[in-house]
Amino acid sequence: GESVGLHLPTLSVQEGDNSIINCAYSNSASDYFIWYKQESGKGPQFIIDIRSNMDKRQGQRVTVLLNKTVKHLSLQIAATQPGDSAVYFCAEKVAGNQFYFGTGTSLTVIP
Amino acid sequence: DTEVTQTPKHLVMGMTNKKSLKCEQHMGHRAMYWYKQKAKKPPELMFVYSYEKLSINESVPSRFSPECPNSSLLNLHLHALQPEDSALYLCASSQVTGLNEKLFFGSGTQLSVL
Repeated sequence: GESVGLHLPTLSVQEGDNSIINCAYSNSASDYFIWYKQESGKGPQFIIDIRSNMDKRQGQRVTVLLNKTVKHLSLQIAATQPGDSAVYFCAEKVAGNQFYFGTGTSLTVIP
Repeated sequence: DTEVTQTPKHLVMGMTNKKSLKCEQHMGHRAMYWYKQKAKKPPELMFVYSYEKLSINESVPSRFSPECPNSSLLNLHLHALQPEDSALYLCASSQVTGLNEKLFFGSGTQLSVL
């Protein structure tokens, strides 16, 4: 399943499928990007990050892709599990220590 | 220890009350942050402290007053709040610069203003 981030804030996928969550960031000068997962009643939890001199980075079951030309970031989750159900935010570092968050996408995994 | 601890977890206050939110970290981070988060919305940056000095204030009303007494502690003093200030208040910390600048968040204080 795939979301369009700002325009489709809810994404439902079957357990075991891959998920793609998208984010459009605003500032072309941003040089560092982070994906966070937030479960109900908790603070955002770090998933993966990427610097602007890279276009892809892989972690355990997650991959972040960065397209600076169109200011677009995506998070791919492989073999999505029920524990992946949460709201996912991208964050961009604009300057110094200024981090701003995107709208977020709510991911629901159907067992 | 990779934890940011926030107290209290829940707070109910009247519009004439004065209260404080507290945040503590022992990761040696010298940047600390306050974010405000409304339900189903992203966190909004309020304040950033860098080396215990206020470096960013995102035009936050003066009824919110941050304080950073030392490198491990961050407070948010609240006075004469409005019902629309009800939200989840998140504290975060990070290195100031370097290869590992990611934000570490606490679980937040859920604030209700009556």
